[in-house]
Amino acid sequence: AQTVTQSQPEMSVQEAETVTLSCTYDTSESDYYLFWYKQPPSRQMILVIRQEAYKQQNATENRFSVNFQKAAKSFSLKISDSQLGDAAMYFCAYRSKYSGGGADGLTFGKGTHLIIQP
Amino acid sequence: ETGVTQSPTHLIKTRGQQVTLRCSSQSGHNTVSWYQQALGQGPQFIFQYYREEENGRGNFPPRFSGLQFPNYSSELNVNALELDDSALYLCASSARGRWSYNEQFFGPGTRLTVL
Repeated sequence: AQTVTQSQPEMSVQEAETVTLSCTYDTSESDYYLFWYKQPPSRQMILVIRQEAYKQQNATENRFSVNFQKAAKSFSLKISDSQLGDAAMYFCAYRSKYSGGGADGLTFGKGTHLIIQP
Repeated sequence: ETGVTQSPTHLIKTRGQQVTLRCSSQSGHNTVSWYQQALGQGPQFIFQYYREEENGRGNFPPRFSGLQFPNYSSELNVNALELDDSALYLCASSARGRWSYNEQFFGPGTRLTVL
């Protein structure tokens, strides 16, 4: 079974600064997806960014980028130019590449609470 | 395009009772997944429904059951409620494709409190 570990329960950053959230995972599979989700106080889980394991290039979405280290099983999220609206819980998640047999179920970490200080 | 909706928003039940939570999937989606998120934790996968059949389950007992209807909406049923069942229940819909990426879109959740 896969596991996802987020070792930072809470992080704080000044508005406009850069912050990095850490995530490690464990799997015996060679091909899979990794995700970062944002959950604001409204509770709705929103996809921030995803990475396919077979792609060596790190994914980027505007101010959000990842540092994917497959051998180390590490998947960190960097948020540049932090904004007040970035304040939320951030969850790292894993999903097997192939559909069927429950493989579409996401495995989440425990989350990191990100605080943005004005 | 209508997103994923869930009802009710909040629910209070007593230990031993049964509860039904509902989810309407996003237009064009044929797969629904359910997750349980205890306070301060990440969501845990309960099960997934595809074409009206359960298609994979996480580590949850049989008293957690579900249904998917022809319009792809879904229900989560929990029997013999226990205090530890108190959680936020999230529903996510997606469009299944065996070799393609199928993003899961989440609903706002139902907050269940068991007293």
